[in-house]
Amino acid sequence: DTGVSQDPRHKITKRGQNVTFRCDPISEHNRLYWYRQTLGQGPEFLTYFQNEAQLEKSRLLSDRFSAERPKGSFSTLEIQRTEQGDSAMYLCASKYSRGQETQYFGPGTRLLVL
Amino acid sequence: DQQVKQNSPSLSVQEGRISILNCDYTNSMFDYFLWYKKYPAEGPTFLISISSIKDKNEDGRFTVFLNKSAKHLSLHIVPSQPGDSAVYFCAALYSGAGSYQLTFGKGTKLSVIP
Repeated sequence: DTGVSQDPRHKITKRGQNVTFRCDPISEHNRLYWYRQTLGQGPEFLTYFQNEAQLEKSRLLSDRFSAERPKGSFSTLEIQRTEQGDSAMYLCASKYSRGQETQYFGPGTRLLVL
Repeated sequence: DQQVKQNSPSLSVQEGRISILNCDYTNSMFDYFLWYKKYPAEGPTFLISISSIKDKNEDGRFTVFLNKSAKHLSLHIVPSQPGDSAVYFCAALYSGAGSYQLTFGKGTKLSVIP
C-alpha cells in the first residue's frame, strides 16, 4: 500500500504565472485535504473533499486558488497569477470518512515564487 | 487567534532521557488530539492520538497525556533517541464540525543529543 503522493515535490515560478499541483491519496480514503505551511508555522487548512464534492473552503483560499477532485480519486490545486506570498509548502492529506480521525500526509510540494 | 499553542519553539534532550513536549488549546469544542512528527522537506508523519474521553494513550516509547480541565496535553518520549530529532506538531479537531479539519500549533523542534 502506497501512502499519499504529491507531484511535483518542488516548483519555482515567476510572479504572475499559474501553477498546478497534484495529490494522489491513499486508495481507499474518500476524504482529501489541502493544507499550506509557511516558515515557522504549523500547517493551515485550505479545503477538503469528500469523494468528488468540495465541502469546505478556508478564508485563506483566495479567488486565485481553485481545487478539484473530478473522479473522487486524485486532486489538483491550482494557483493563478502567483504572488510572492504564495511561497509555502502545500500539503495534501487523506483519511477514510469513518473510523479513526487520523489524517495521513503526503510529502508536500514546496512552491517558491520569485 | 491561535487555538493551539506550542509555547516552546525548541527543546534539547540528552539521548536516553525523557522528552516532554507541551501543547495548550483554547477551543473547548476540540475533542480529538494528534501529534505529528516532521523532518525537513517531508510531510508530517502521524505519531499518536488521544480522544477527549481519555486522559492517557501509550504506544511504545510515546505517551500522550490529556488534561481537559487545563486544556493541556503533553507528549512524552522515553527513552529519547537521536532519530527522534524533528519538529513535533500538536493538532486538534472538533469531530462535530463534520470537516475533521486539523488545527495545528506552530511546532516544537526537538534535538536529541547523543
